[in-house]
Amino acid sequence: AQSVTQLDSHVSVSEGTPVLLRCNYSSSYSPSLFWYVQHPNKGLQLLLKYTSAATLVKGINGFEAEFKKSETSFHLTKPSAHMSDAAEYFCVVSDEAGANNLFFGTGTRLTVIP
Amino acid sequence: EAQVTQNPRYLITVTGKKLTVTCSQNMNHEYMSWYRQDPGLGLRQIYYSMNVEVTDKGDVPEGYKVSRKEKRNFPLILESPSPNQTSLYFCASSYETGAPYEQYFGPGTRLTVT
Repeated sequence: AQSVTQLDSHVSVSEGTPVLLRCNYSSSYSPSLFWYVQHPNKGLQLLLKYTSAATLVKGINGFEAEFKKSETSFHLTKPSAHMSDAAEYFCVVSDEAGANNLFFGTGTRLTVIP
Repeated sequence: EAQVTQNPRYLITVTGKKLTVTCSQNMNHEYMSWYRQDPGLGLRQIYYSMNVEVTDKGDVPEGYKVSRKEKRNFPLILESPSPNQTSLYFCASSYETGAPYEQYFGPGTRLTVT
């Protein structure tokens, strides 16, 4: 069975400092992994996705994530946080039976301190 | 503009009163899905549909029904709502199955059942 674990429910950083949101996955096959972002009172937006091509994936708004099979991790990073990055972030793995079925982590709320 | 729309955005109802939340997409997507979002649990899939007249259960289907009579619409039906169905609901759609395509999410419907 596939699942994801987001190791931090809440992360707080100062504006201009690096962001690290941690995600570990469990999958019996080669997974597709995603990060989605949800701003307050908004729907979800895709930040980036990994689909067995390059292990370092670049997304929108300066975010990137690195797929590490040996560590079963897919951590999300950004070199310098902006106030507009404050949101909830979800790490997601796709279903082996139907690749469009998604399994979400419980989310990490990112707070950016001015 | 490519989008997924949901109606209503907010709904307060009483236990046992049947309701329908509509979902429509204008991107000609084959795949559509419903999720519910609860604090600390992330998003969990209720039902999904791979094409017209093809629907299947997700992780938490109890108490819900769906139909897919047209490609663009995928309504969620609560025949007899109960307070434990109070939640934030998202509809999503994507291109054909068999690949991890980006899912496009609607703005959400906040449902309260008293």
